[in-house]
Amino acid sequence: QQPVQSPQAVILREGEDAVINCSSSKALYSVHWYRQKHGEAPVFLMILLKGGEQKGHDKISASFNEKKQQSSLYLTASQLSYSGTYFCGTEYRDNYGQNFVFGPGTRLSVLP
Amino acid sequence: EAQVTQNPRYLITVTGKKLTVTCSQNMNHEYMSWYRQDPGLGLRQIYYSMNVEVTDKGDVPEGYKVSRKEKRNFPLILESPSPNQTSLYFCASSKRTRKFFGPGTRLTVL
Repeated sequence: QQPVQSPQAVILREGEDAVINCSSSKALYSVHWYRQKHGEAPVFLMILLKGGEQKGHDKISASFNEKKQQSSLYLTASQLSYSGTYFCGTEYRDNYGQNFVFGPGTRLSVLP
Repeated sequence: EAQVTQNPRYLITVTGKKLTVTCSQNMNHEYMSWYRQDPGLGLRQIYYSMNVEVTDKGDVPEGYKVSRKEKRNFPLILESPSPNQTSLYFCASSKRTRKFFGPGTRLTVL
């Protein structure tokens, strides 16, 4: 079951903040965040392994609300290098075992 | 250097001509997977492998085959490619947590 990401796209000026949301209809074990620049492979940003966990590095952080089956990625004081498509990846378990599904992505454009 | 390699990087072929895309990782990861990426649809899993000789279908397995005879290699096989398999393909390996992606293979089937 693919998670839903919002917004689909966002345009920012350098220095502005953005929030990308990821929600699932499944109870989640973990949430991953990746960034992909045009023509390149996705690159791992962070993983959140339990409910309520918040992680971050540099000016990018994320939270995981296990109860709401949601995660949010926070980009503060955005830089030009933040441009790209952001994917959340959600891990859940069902009767068939462990599953991992990526969201459709959020395209972020940071303008000077 | 820890990496996942894929070959070829670009391939143009014709309908029905069997092809193989190779994937190799040097991190001794047990878990490997294949994804296809199409505009607006994100990364969809084709097949995955939990370990040697253990493979399973992902979300979009039709028209693809895989094998895992050794830990480091996980080739993707298209026995009879069709135009709807034109896509960007990524191989990934992981050790339970973060995924390492290969550089991608852009496949065009005419």
